[in-house]
Amino acid sequence: VQLLESGGDLVQPGGSLRLSCTASGFVFSTYGMNWVRQSPGKGLEWVALISYDGSNEDYAASVKGRFTISRDNSKNTLYLQMNGLRAEDTAVYYCAKPRVRGIYYFDYWGQGTLVTVSS
Amino acid sequence: EIVMTQAPATLSVSPGERATLSCRASQSISTNLAWYQQKPGQAPRLLIYAVSTRATGIPARFSGSGSGTEFTLTISSLQSEDFAVYYCQQYTNWPPYTFGQGTKLDNK
Repeated sequence: VQLLESGGDLVQPGGSLRLSCTASGFVFSTYGMNWVRQSPGKGLEWVALISYDGSNEDYAASVKGRFTISRDNSKNTLYLQMNGLRAEDTAVYYCAKPRVRGIYYFDYWGQGTLVTVSS
Repeated sequence: EIVMTQAPATLSVSPGERATLSCRASQSISTNLAWYQQKPGQAPRLLIYAVSTRATGIPARFSGSGSGTEFTLTISSLQSEDFAVYYCQQYTNWPPYTFGQGTKLDNK
């Protein structure tokens, strides 16, 4: 199993960014997938979940209405569209795979991609 | 939202000693609890799920216990590679899936 995130960058407050996570080594289209973030020197925060077929999404209150999770099962890729970025969104963003379908603790994580929101 | 509280924030222990880390949930989470280890610059690593089941490849010196709202991770005899930050996470039926703030295990 491999999860490879990309797309992190320095962006100004109010700006937008799209993160990607390319998956391999498992049947991506059968697992709900998640984004988890970690602010510098801080703990872990679950951000968003998308069902295996993309029909359902859930978000942390801190990002609801600003972030959109999506997936392309034909490309084994997970996305996170981030709009209206704030300084407090600065973090390393990880994509994470659950060990068991539908039960959301995570046995595989990507290496993370850093998003910095600053003017 | 279920709040997870870990104690202590930092635990100083010598190699070979036992370490006991605590995690408390703001409401009952049954046995829907996982523990992770994170080293600097690395992604978290799953140690334990369902309170007490070790993930693949995790040594037997790591054990978990508890139910409801009180949980414990015990490392029976600390090795040098065990010094890290440890997080608990609840995964009840519905999101958000919340993490504790972490316990840093320091070499005394």
